Amino acid sequence: AQKVTQAQTEISVVEKEDVTLDCVYETRDTTYYLFWYKQPPSGELVFLIRRNSFDEQNEISGRYSWNFQKSTSSFNFTITASQVVDSAVYFCALKKNTGNQFYFGTGTSLTVIP
Amino acid sequence: KAGVTQTPRYLIKTRGQQVTLSCSPISGHRSVSWYQQTPGQGLQFLFEYFSETQRNKGNFPGRFSGRQFSNSRSEMNVSTLELGDSALYLCASSYGDDRLNEQFFGPGTRLTVL
Repeated sequence: AQKVTQAQTEISVVEKEDVTLDCVYETRDTTYYLFWYKQPPSGELVFLIRRNSFDEQNEISGRYSWNFQKSTSSFNFTITASQVVDSAVYFCALKKNTGNQFYFGTGTSLTVIP
Repeated sequence: KAGVTQTPRYLIKTRGQQVTLSCSPISGHRSVSWYQQTPGQGLQFLFEYFSETQRNKGNFPGRFSGRQFSNSRSEMNVSTLELGDSALYLCASSYGDDRLNEQFFGPGTRLTVL
């Protein structure tokens, strides 16, 4: 069975602080894909990043970075120098190699205080 | 390229009624997935349609059904509405083939059952 856990329900940081959102997943598959989505108050899920299970290279995109570690089944997301516009709910998700079903975590609500 | 569109955006129904939600995927996308989002259960997968055929199904009762048309547009129907069906219903589209591709989400339909 697939499962994604985001233990942090809510996080508040002051603007310009760095923040890391944790994601731990469970799967018995050897090939799978991991995703992060952002959900602003408008409700639409916005794609941030995908990573396949064979690519453990960390990635940086501007103020965003992702740390994928198969050994600990974690795919954490760090926002550097947070901004008020980063306030949203962030979801980590896992997709099996076949089919299009995403297994989402329960989300982490991030509030950046100006 | 136009994004995923969902209609209507908001809907208010009473218990026992039925409702039909519509989703138009991004041009060229053949897979449409539906998710229910509630505060208590988070994002839960309802079903996926690919080339007019249901390819995957989540653990929802038979009151929840869907279909996909030849132009890839999809509809979701909920019959005999219950209070617990109040949720944000999100539709996502993707190419749906073996390519590693993310799902693009629509803005959702907010359903309130009174």
